[in-house]
Parts: sequence; C-alpha cells; structure tokens
Amino acid sequence: EPEVTQTPSHQVTQMGQEVILRCVPISNHLYFYWYRQILGQKVEFLVSFYNNEISEKSEIFDDQFSVERPDGSNFTLKIRSTKLEDSAMYFCASRSGQLTDTQYFGPGTRLTVL
Amino acid sequence: GESVGLHLPTLSVQEGDNSIINCAYSNSASDYFIWYKQESGKGPQFIIDIRSNMDKRQGQRVTVLLNKTVKHLSLQIAATQPGDSAVYFCAEISGGGADGLTFGKGTHLIIQP
Repeated sequence: EPEVTQTPSHQVTQMGQEVILRCVPISNHLYFYWYRQILGQKVEFLVSFYNNEISEKSEIFDDQFSVERPDGSNFTLKIRSTKLEDSAMYFCASRSGQLTDTQYFGPGTRLTVL
Repeated sequence: GESVGLHLPTLSVQEGDNSIINCAYSNSASDYFIWYKQESGKGPQFIIDIRSNMDKRQGQRVTVLLNKTVKHLSLQIAATQPGDSAVYFCAEISGGGADGLTFGKGTHLIIQP
C-alpha cells in the first residue's frame, strides 16, 4: 500500500540554524501539507500546497518557513533560522484530490532545537 | 476562536468491550470530519470520515456518528483489541475553500486485558 515517507526521522540542530525536512508524498497525489505537533499537544496545520504554490497557511507559518516541491516526488519544509519553540514533530500529508478529502500522513520528523 | 475539542483526555476499557470517543466542534460551517488514530511515535492514521450531509457512517468495527444539531461527533469502536490502544483525534475541515485540518486535543484510549 502506498504511503507518505519522511526523512530524517530525527533532526537535531542548533538554534539559528537552517533545517530542511523532506517528504515524499503518495505518488499520484496532488495536494500536500505540513503539520506540526508539539510534544503532548494536538496536531496543528502549517501549510497546504497545490499546483506548485501555497494554497493556505496558518498563523504559525511565518516568514521563517518555506515549502518547495523541487522535483516530481519530493516536498520540503525549510525553517530558515530555528528557534527553541520550533522543536516538535513535523508531519507531511498528502491527498489525491480525486473525489476525496482524506489526507494521509507520514511518520513524522522529530525536530529538536538546542 | 472556533475549534474542535474532545470531552475526555483518557478512556480506559476492557478488551472486548465497545468504546465511544466523543468530540465537540463549534464551527457550524464545518462540512467534513475525520477520525485519526495516533500510536506512540507515529503519524496520524486515517480511520473513518463523514461529511456533514450524513449522520452515520460505518467501517470495519468502527462507526462515526454526527449530530449537527448539537455539533457533536463520536467514534464507536466495537469489540476493542489491544491494538486499539492509541490517541484518537477528531479533525475537521471548515469548508469555504479551507483545506487544512483543524485537530482536537486527542483522547487516549487504553485497552485493559
């Protein structure tokens, strides 16, 4: 069964450093998402992406964040200058857009900012 | 602001019993609801969804009920198994072109042997 994959599973970085989190959505999907989950809290929406542009973003997704689909398979989230409060699980999700709204999630990347 | 929330943070049931997890939502414009299961260290796993034009939908051992009058959503799991132990989130899409899911805080379901 096709699934969303994410790399790395765990990323440790120093405050102020740039990080890039990578995702490979399900191959025939057209809509892509990033969410984050701070430890012990609920999952929060960051951004949605369709047709090579951002379609919706939350208040959390400020100028420090950016997304890109550099090729036909990868979808990345970049944080330019990480802060301590960026420490969280980051989940990528995708959906086909074909008569369904179901978003399928990847296993997540745990980001730890020191 | 409008949000999706859950009534109980933890629910403990005996293996083999049925469980009901509840969710209240406040956005009357929401038109799509989903239940996700999250096991420790993993991403949310889709369980079942329902649109606002329905009041009940059944899957394998799971049933979702939607009461739009009181803005209430529930997930029923029949004949619970140890593998059902997880945190369960309800989530919504508010419609009007919005695409991001709004998640509730989660209920931790514990299946006792």
